[in-house]
Amino acid sequence: GNSVTQMEGPVTLSEEAFLTINCTYTATGYPSLFWYVQYPGEGLQLLLKATKADDKGSNKGFEATYRKETTSFHLEKGSVQVSDSAVYFCALSDIPMRFGAGTRLTVKP
Amino acid sequence: ETGVTQTPRHLVMGMTNKKSLKCEQHLGHNAMYWYKQSAKKPLELMFVYNFKEQTENNSVPSRFSPECPNSSHLFLHLHTLQPEDSALYLCASSQSLAEDNEQFFGPGTRLTVL
Repeated sequence: GNSVTQMEGPVTLSEEAFLTINCTYTATGYPSLFWYVQYPGEGLQLLLKATKADDKGSNKGFEATYRKETTSFHLEKGSVQVSDSAVYFCALSDIPMRFGAGTRLTVKP
Repeated sequence: ETGVTQTPRHLVMGMTNKKSLKCEQHLGHNAMYWYKQSAKKPLELMFVYNFKEQTENNSVPSRFSPECPNSSHLFLHLHTLQPEDSALYLCASSQSLAEDNEQFFGPGTRLTVL
């Protein structure tokens, strides 16, 4: 069946460091891919998405490119801030949507 | 109110109590979901409703009983829970069950079972 696998956390970075959170997927067909973010005390919210191969989703300085050849959708940000501390979920379109296990990011000043 | 709201935000209950969690979406969506989020299983789908009809029950124990009286409201009735049921319960909605539909989440109910 369809699934996503994302890197285990937690990830701890200093402010202004470069961030990569790895996500790979297994799917039949051509799913859409998503990154959701969960800030402390809140529910998940959509961060970005890509609907086809080579698409790049971007939002709030975060980017992820849909790579069909490596079945990946890695999340990147060039310079993280303390306010980016949250849990990040990779997800794949299916009925219902398939979520990864989540990666907790802590950014220290 | 906008988006997806959940009440109460925090709930402490004993194992013999009966309580209910409420979810309401103000987005005009037709599909609603209950998830359980805990340290052991970060995001576990429990139930799915589409146009008020239950379409998925992921082997959830009968001590959890969902109810969807209309497309805007979703309840989770709780009775004789166990301490391991302590978790964050998240409600979500989407326009439909179509694959590309974004899910919108509420802030969750933090449940503690004593």
